[in-house]
Amino acid sequence: ETGVTQTPRHLVMGMTNKKSLKCEQHLGHNAMYWYKQSAKKPLELMFVYSLEERVENNSVPSRFSPECPNSSHLFLHLHTLQPEDSALYLCASSQVAENYGYTFGSGTRLTVV
Amino acid sequence: GENVEQHPSTLSVQEGDSAVIKCTYSDSASNYFPWYKQELGKRPQLIIDIRSNVGEKKDQRIAVTLNKTAKHFSLHITETQPEDSAVYFCAASVIGSARQLTFGSGTQLTVLP
Repeated sequence: ETGVTQTPRHLVMGMTNKKSLKCEQHLGHNAMYWYKQSAKKPLELMFVYSLEERVENNSVPSRFSPECPNSSHLFLHLHTLQPEDSALYLCASSQVAENYGYTFGSGTRLTVV
Repeated sequence: GENVEQHPSTLSVQEGDSAVIKCTYSDSASNYFPWYKQELGKRPQLIIDIRSNVGEKKDQRIAVTLNKTAKHFSLHITETQPEDSAVYFCAASVIGSARQLTFGSGTQLTVLP
């Protein structure tokens, strides 16, 4: 593990379900990010939290709802998703002032059926 | 906002040959340029980065060059090995900002034995 842990690793959910993705970082970083990675597409930024405040919401549909209760934990709450939301969801963290790049988690492979 | 373009999207080389991946960026304020390697089914991992105060950085078989005037940077892998096969992403950001890294679309590198 790199210090950023994501759970679950795999998730299959129906379009009417509600589920949550969890990310935890043990690196003392002060910023956390959610990215969506679909096949043959660039990494798409979804949300940025810096010092527990959301600083960016990249036009993400409201069926995705982030939560950052503290600097070590980040959640992505999912409800009424669509099949096109199936993707790998990656969490990352960084230390903003240092900017030595992101440390990514292993991701959650989400399949919406 | 920043826009990062990456070429080529796929690259096949014979083992032992060199591989070069190129990226261009649009925001002249960007001053930090990392490269990530993502093996199949794994998380993206930082392999090398460069800041705008230098033109080149090398780490064993991997090197990155930066041309600030032209706003482009490149990844060079020499003496390629099969384990170098992966998707490579370039990115750009401004140091000290909570703004996200803007990623390129990725290059699938295949090293043929």
